[in-house]
Amino acid sequence: NAGVTQTPKFQVLKTGQSMTLQCAQDMNHNSMYWYRQDPGMGLRLIYYSASEGTTDKGEVPNGYNVSRLNKREFSLRLESAAPSQTSVYFCASSERAWGAGGPDTQYFGPGTRLTVL
Amino acid sequence: DQQVKQNSPSLSVQEGRISILNCDYTNSMFDYFLWYKKYPAEGPTFLISISSIKDKNEDGRFTVFLNKSAKHLSLHIVPSQPGDSAVYFCAASAGRSGGYNKLIFGAGTRLAVHP
Repeated sequence: NAGVTQTPKFQVLKTGQSMTLQCAQDMNHNSMYWYRQDPGMGLRLIYYSASEGTTDKGEVPNGYNVSRLNKREFSLRLESAAPSQTSVYFCASSERAWGAGGPDTQYFGPGTRLTVL
Repeated sequence: DQQVKQNSPSLSVQEGRISILNCDYTNSMFDYFLWYKKYPAEGPTFLISISSIKDKNEDGRFTVFLNKSAKHLSLHIVPSQPGDSAVYFCAASAGRSGGYNKLIFGAGTRLAVHP
């Protein structure tokens, strides 16, 4: 049981390049999330997927797109990377579908450290 | 405007003593609060939570206190151990209005427990 896995662990991009961050969970969770963490700030939600086949914007969605490929996988795409997207990106999952009632613990992957030059 | 604030970026405590990490929030709709712990090069892991219907929740060495009138919560670690050295994030959600999944995080406090 690997939990939440993310690839790659590190990535350096040039401004304007594109890339996709991959995330997979093996806990049969319904909800999945993408966060970014910047120095001096907490984790901020980029996008989330309440259940397979649905995605919604979070707090900071500009410059990103997501795909919930199936129940296990949730990818984050940067179409044209900018230096402001230099950050550490975390994927997370939780058991309940969004808004399904009751507290729901989120489990995080190890993160992807992205640098955009 | 940060809705969840951890005003102390860092805290240093001697092994065996109490560590107290503080968190303030501004949104009165928040009714569920969590603490996550993060080691370097790892993702955050859930530590302990508290609902707004309680003012205290305890789990082993970890206790979270909630003061709703002051919009303040704190995490107490007693006794502190070197393995507790990590970054601690406070998070909040407005669960009863359907938002348990939408967590708002503070900026984190780096705890260093030294022998």
